[in-house]
Amino acid sequence: QVQLVQSGAEVKKPGASVKVSCKASGYTFTSYGISWVRQAPGQGLEWMGWISAYNGNTNYAQKLQGRVTMTTDTSTSTAYMELRSLRSDDTAVYYCARDSSIAAAGDLAYWGQGTLVTVSS
Amino acid sequence: EIVLTQSPATLSLSPGERATLSCRASQSVSSYLAWYQQKPGQAPRLLIYDASNRATGIPARFSGSGSGTDFTLTISSLEPEDFAVYYCQQRSNWLFTFGPGTKVDIK
Repeated sequence: QVQLVQSGAEVKKPGASVKVSCKASGYTFTSYGISWVRQAPGQGLEWMGWISAYNGNTNYAQKLQGRVTMTTDTSTSTAYMELRSLRSDDTAVYYCARDSSIAAAGDLAYWGQGTLVTVSS
Repeated sequence: EIVLTQSPATLSLSPGERATLSCRASQSVSSYLAWYQQKPGQAPRLLIYDASNRATGIPARFSGSGSGTDFTLTISSLEPEDFAVYYCQQRSNWLFTFGPGTKVDIK
């Protein structure tokens, strides 16, 4: 069965960086893209970006351009999301999610359990 | 960036009633519109993709319709487990966006 297992909670100071991992299993990793979505406490869902696990192509939300980098390691079937220059409003639960099918980038059928990133001085 | 608006923000209904949720896009997204359900403390769950197709394992009481800029999610008869927040999301270009959500709560 498809599983996405994310790394554990992080506490960071303003200005620092965080790197969250998402280990995939139960399918051919390079056949599907992965999106990263975050949710601030009590708020809605915010799409952060998408990466092709096949060739590493990325698309990032405009508001995060320059601060976010998404990568994959095909040898370990793991996707990563790094966010730099952290601010207090980056405090959120960060999710990775897999495309539902090869032809449907952006339909997010499988989700990780979420990683809480807290930014506080 | 395509902006999605959802209405109403909150829908208060009783079990067994019909729920109708709306999602409007700032420009056409063709049929590239999905709906997700999220319960407290859980990751979202894909309900509907491409405007009207139910995802695997989703009960038939959930249905989606629409194209272009106006979309609807209908829950024909609310079950107790359906009280949750519902988000629409577009994937018509390579900058996907979510709507702000509609909370369906118990009246």
